[in-house]
Amino acid sequence: AQTVTQSQPEMSVQEAETVTLSCTYDTSENNYYLFWYKQPPSRQMILVIRQEAYKQQNATENRFSVNFQKAAKSFSLKISDSQLGDTAMYFCSLETSGSRLTFGEGTQLTVNP
Amino acid sequence: EAGVAQSPRYKIIEKRQSVAFWCNPISGHATLYWYQQILGQGPKLLIQFQNNGVVDDSQLPKDRFSAERLKGVDSTLKIQPAKLEDSAVYLCASSLWRRETQYFGPGTRLLVL
Repeated sequence: AQTVTQSQPEMSVQEAETVTLSCTYDTSENNYYLFWYKQPPSRQMILVIRQEAYKQQNATENRFSVNFQKAAKSFSLKISDSQLGDTAMYFCSLETSGSRLTFGEGTQLTVNP
Repeated sequence: EAGVAQSPRYKIIEKRQSVAFWCNPISGHATLYWYQQILGQGPKLLIQFQNNGVVDDSQLPKDRFSAERLKGVDSTLKIQPAKLEDSAVYLCASSLWRRETQYFGPGTRLLVL
């Protein structure tokens, strides 16, 4: 069975600063994908970033980057230059061979002006 | 490109009533997913279709939940009879194929009284 753990239920950051959200996971498979999704109050799940497990290079997407540590089964998200619009619930998720996404419990991020 | 469409956006019913949700995936996407998201939790996969065939329904409560995807495009998810614990947001997602990035619709918020 696959599990995803997000140990930070809530985090806050000042506008323009950097914040890191933590995620650990467990799977016995070697070929898998990791994602961070953002869910604002509208409840729409929006893809932030994707990482293929076979790639050693950490994925980046503008102000968003990940620190993927495969041996430690860790997948953290760094948000640089935080903006008010980044305020949302962030979910870490894992996709394995069955194409089923397993989600963590989420981290509520608040960006303060 | 139009996103995943869902309707209705909100539904309030009494327990033991039936309810149906509709999803229209992104054009050309072969894989369609239904997730249940209970307040304060990450989404949980209920059922996955590949074209009009069911790939994974292991977490679908089949005594009360049913889903279909006729013609491999639109899908409906039905609950009959509803229970109080079915109160949740029901998210539909689609992907070009299995193991491709999933894109989510806005969700249907269900309240069972």
